[in-house]
Amino acid sequence: NAGVTQTPKFQVLKTGQSMTLQCAQDMNHNSMYWYRQDPGMGLRLIYYSASEGTTDKGEVPNGYNVSRLNKREFSLRLESAAPSQTSVYFCASSVRDRGTHEQYFGPGTRLTVT
Amino acid sequence: KQEVTQIPAALSVPEGENLVLNCSFTDSAIYNLQWFRQDPGKGLTSLLLIQSSQREQTSGRLNASLDKSSGRSTLYIAASQPGDSATYLCAAASGYSTLTFGKGTMLLVSP
Repeated sequence: NAGVTQTPKFQVLKTGQSMTLQCAQDMNHNSMYWYRQDPGMGLRLIYYSASEGTTDKGEVPNGYNVSRLNKREFSLRLESAAPSQTSVYFCASSVRDRGTHEQYFGPGTRLTVT
Repeated sequence: KQEVTQIPAALSVPEGENLVLNCSFTDSAIYNLQWFRQDPGKGLTSLLLIQSSQREQTSGRLNASLDKSSGRSTLYIAASQPGDSATYLCAAASGYSTLTFGKGTMLLVSP
């Protein structure tokens, strides 16, 4: 099992460019999440998908869109990147089984917007 | 809104010392509390998960406790080693299992 995979690992964008961060899990989990990590701010939830076909906003959704393509894949799109979106982005997944809800994280995407 | 606080922000100890990392949360209506380890420039590795009905979990030299009524969790590391140096994050799960993270405790264990 690869667990949670993310592509790309690194990306540099210019202000105004768009891009999509990809995330996939092979653990048959029904819930998936996108977080961003910034120095001094910790990890914050951007969007989540409790199950295939549903998505909801987290704490910091502005400037982002998401797509739950199927049960395995959950993508995060920046339509017009801004320097404030420079961050490390983590995808995670979990299974809601008997209340465990343990989340497993991917290796992250390091994004710089100039 | 859930808020999670970790104290101390940084900790430096000599090898072999036992240590305690603290985590507090404001809303006791949680599904579970997870402790993670993060090495510099890396992702998060799950260390321990305590379900809301449990009081503690143990894995090797690590022991995590949970007191929902007081909104506190502790991570106890026994006989610390230089390889334990990392940032330790606690996170409280609520709602649709969304996690609210603390800002972490940066641990340095010197030989």
